[in-house]
Amino acid sequence: AAGVIQSPRHLIKEKRETATLKCYPIPRHDTVYWYQQGPGQDPQFLISFYEKMQSDKGSIPDRFSAQQFSDYHSELNMSSLELGDSALYFCASSPRTGDTEAFFGQGTRLTVV
Amino acid sequence: AQKITQTQPGMFVQEKEAVTLDCTYDTSDPSYGLFWYKQPSSGEMIFLIYQGSYDQQNATEGRYSLNFQKARKSANLVISASQLGDSAMYFCAMREVYGNNRLAFGKGNQVVVIP
Repeated sequence: AAGVIQSPRHLIKEKRETATLKCYPIPRHDTVYWYQQGPGQDPQFLISFYEKMQSDKGSIPDRFSAQQFSDYHSELNMSSLELGDSALYFCASSPRTGDTEAFFGQGTRLTVV
Repeated sequence: AQKITQTQPGMFVQEKEAVTLDCTYDTSDPSYGLFWYKQPSSGEMIFLIYQGSYDQQNATEGRYSLNFQKARKSANLVISASQLGDSAMYFCAMREVYGNNRLAFGKGNQVVVIP
């Protein structure tokens, strides 16, 4: 069965650079969530989209932006990267809000040096 | 305020034994869902089991079962017949349907299965 696909799996960037993370949800899933997980931490919610519209916003820095495209894939854009942005970034998808499934991709491990 | 509480310290479990991971939650939303995820050292977040707030029966998925006690706001995960591959961090999460609908995670429970 198709799963949530994230790319790239690993990314190394220098401070002040820009990074773009991509997420391809499970087919027919119309809700996408982005999470950030620091080392030894629980995942922190960043932002979500439902039917290509932003549906909820969490602790996402102003330096970050995201969108969901017409094919339902989503991109998280991160600018002016800081050392503290080093983390595992997850995308998750679910078929509709309030449903019983929420599957995560394998994550993008971002290292800022 | 933390909506999901997982306070157990790291646990060592003998292979083939059962282990219970505690999770309590806090919500005033009448409709919500509870999820458990497994995160091995490789980092991926693996969905294990789901329990809806209106479900009358406890959820089960293979060796995983959820002990749902709604009045106590408790959703403990039971892993039966532990295997070495069960060694991982386990996260409990909740989604409030009439709230903001995001998944809110607990701090996780570390489980190490020993032969």
